[in-house]
Amino acid sequence: EPEVTQTPSHQVTQMGQEVILRCVPISNHLYFYWYRQILGQKVEFLVSFYNNEISEKSEIFDDQFSVERPDGSNFTLKIRSTKLEDSAMYFCASSVVRVVETQYFGPGTRLLVL
Amino acid sequence: SQQGEEDPQALSIQEGENATMNCSYKTSINNLQWYRQNSGRGLVHLILIRSNEREKHSGRLRVTLDTSKKSSSLLITASRAADTASYFCATDDRGQGGSEKLVFGKGTKLTVNP
Repeated sequence: EPEVTQTPSHQVTQMGQEVILRCVPISNHLYFYWYRQILGQKVEFLVSFYNNEISEKSEIFDDQFSVERPDGSNFTLKIRSTKLEDSAMYFCASSVVRVVETQYFGPGTRLLVL
Repeated sequence: SQQGEEDPQALSIQEGENATMNCSYKTSINNLQWYRQNSGRGLVHLILIRSNEREKHSGRLRVTLDTSKKSSSLLITASRAADTASYFCATDDRGQGGSEKLVFGKGTKLTVNP
């Protein structure tokens, strides 16, 4: 069964460093999402992406964040200058159509900013 | 507004018993989804119920939706130790007219004791 994959599974970085989290969505899906979950808290929406552009973003998704689909398979989330409060589990998700259908989530990348 | 608030926050049962988790939400929705998350892992989609449906079954799972009360319940019958996980409901937000994000609750942590 096709699934969303994410790399790396864990990332430790120093405050102020740039990180890139990578995702490979399910191949026939057209909508892509990033969510994050700070330890012990809710899963929060960051951004959705369709047709090579951001279609919606949350207040969390400020200028430090960017997303890109550099080729036909990868979908990346870049944090330019990490802060301690960026430490969280980051989930990529994809769906065939918009949110009225199921979003399929990857296993997540656990980011720790020191 | 807060969407998708589950209760109880934690539930501990014996193997073979049924587990019921509830979710309440505040705005109009197109659908409601339930996800499972094993400790520190990704989100696994369990079931989606549309706003015009009242009940849905999938294996040992039964989901109900009461749009008049803005609530849903997830019933796991004949629970197994492997069902130990956190369970989240997630809604779209039809009130935001085309919003693509899923809004998650804080989850119910289910422990099934062998």
